[in-house]
Amino acid sequence: ETGVTQSPTHLIKTRGQQVTLRCSSQSGHNTVSWYQQALGQGPQFIFQYYREEENGRGNFPPRFSGLQFPNYSSELNVNALELDDSALYLCASSLGGLFYGYTFGSGTRLTVV
Amino acid sequence: DQQVKQNSPSLSVQEGRISILNCDYTNSMFDYFLWYKKYPAEGPTFLISISSIKDKNEDGRFTVFLNKSAKHLSLHIVPSQPGDSAVYFCAASARSGAGSYQLTFGKGTKLSVIP
Repeated sequence: ETGVTQSPTHLIKTRGQQVTLRCSSQSGHNTVSWYQQALGQGPQFIFQYYREEENGRGNFPPRFSGLQFPNYSSELNVNALELDDSALYLCASSLGGLFYGYTFGSGTRLTVV
Repeated sequence: DQQVKQNSPSLSVQEGRISILNCDYTNSMFDYFLWYKKYPAEGPTFLISISSIKDKNEDGRFTVFLNKSAKHLSLHIVPSQPGDSAVYFCAASARSGAGSYQLTFGKGTKLSVIP
């Protein structure tokens, strides 16, 4: 049974650019949630995808968008990057949106300069 | 407005003693509470949880206590071991309007267990 894998592990982007982060969910999981963890903070909920549809969103602007594919893998896209977007982005997969079955990936460290 | 608060950024405990990590929350709609453990360069891993209808849940060396009237929960680790050294996050869940559950995390407490 494979866990959650995220790519890339580290990324440096320039302010104003766009970025795509990827997540492969754990085998058998059909729900993917994305979290942003800024330095010194706890993870903050961005959104959740269940069966390829967004079914929950936190307090993040529309320039944060996502996709879930038929194999339940997912992408997080961020447009018009700002310096404050620098953070660790965590993906968590689960079955049927059950948070207590969350498996987190190791995250993608994004630095915006 | 922080809905989940972990007021102690760090805690040091001697090996073999009890570690007590605290968490306060403000949202009465939270119905489930969880503790996650995080090592550097790894994602958070689930440790233990408790439903809002219970006041205690135990799993081996880990016990979580919930005091709903005080909106307070705590994680007890007995006995503490050096491998327990990590950042511990308290998290709470509430169902969103779209039917999904989202977790609200505290800022974390860094536990150091001294051999």
